[in-house]
Amino acid sequence: DQQVKQNSPSLSVQEGRISILNCDYTNSMFDYFLWYKKYPAEGPTFLISISSIKDKNEDGRFTVFLNKSAKHLSLHIVPSQPGDSAVYFCAERTGANSKLTFGKGITLSVRP
Amino acid sequence: NAGVTQTPKFRILKIGQSMTLQCAQDMNHNYMYWYRQDPGMGLKLIYYSVGAGITDKGEVPNGYNVSRSTTEDFPLRLELAAPSQTSVYFCASSYDGGSSYNSPLHFGNGTRLTVT
Repeated sequence: DQQVKQNSPSLSVQEGRISILNCDYTNSMFDYFLWYKKYPAEGPTFLISISSIKDKNEDGRFTVFLNKSAKHLSLHIVPSQPGDSAVYFCAERTGANSKLTFGKGITLSVRP
Repeated sequence: NAGVTQTPKFRILKIGQSMTLQCAQDMNHNYMYWYRQDPGMGLKLIYYSVGAGITDKGEVPNGYNVSRSTTEDFPLRLELAAPSQTSVYFCASSYDGGSSYNSPLHFGNGTRLTVT
């Protein structure tokens, strides 16, 4: 059973608009959630994280919201740019040895 | 500033062959990881290491072996390649576990392996 679920495989938005990428989880005993971005033929790169004691973290155009009662988090990108087109992975970090559990990823396409 | 370097980039193996995927990092990171990514799936952890001489199994370790004799290197060994091991393999490292801006997970660019 998947612990981290990214149920929408893809999202397409217009340049300048908001992109909202969603992630659901089952394990409440996490330390952090993280978002990674991946371009084709490259490894994932770290984008933003949120600790279990917060409900929002912002870094420039990227904001992550955490709703612990709904076991849901979302990544907002405002404004979206064509260079944001990539696969976005949500990942959960839990406990000892800091292992990460990744979702399947969402492919974001930002149309010029 | 090389970061995490994986070799080779691509490899085709026949069933039953063996090979070693190489991973090296030059950031003096303690933690190193091997993930595999199958098409349409997330990354699954194969093995990880929290320091030289220490390794442990991840979610999908069967069919693989690792060693960590130095801080810099973390090779992944496939002994008897099977078609189910066709995947893209990513090596990653971090200073203390990769949860924050101060210590994210740094990934290599991957090795694409096909077993036929």
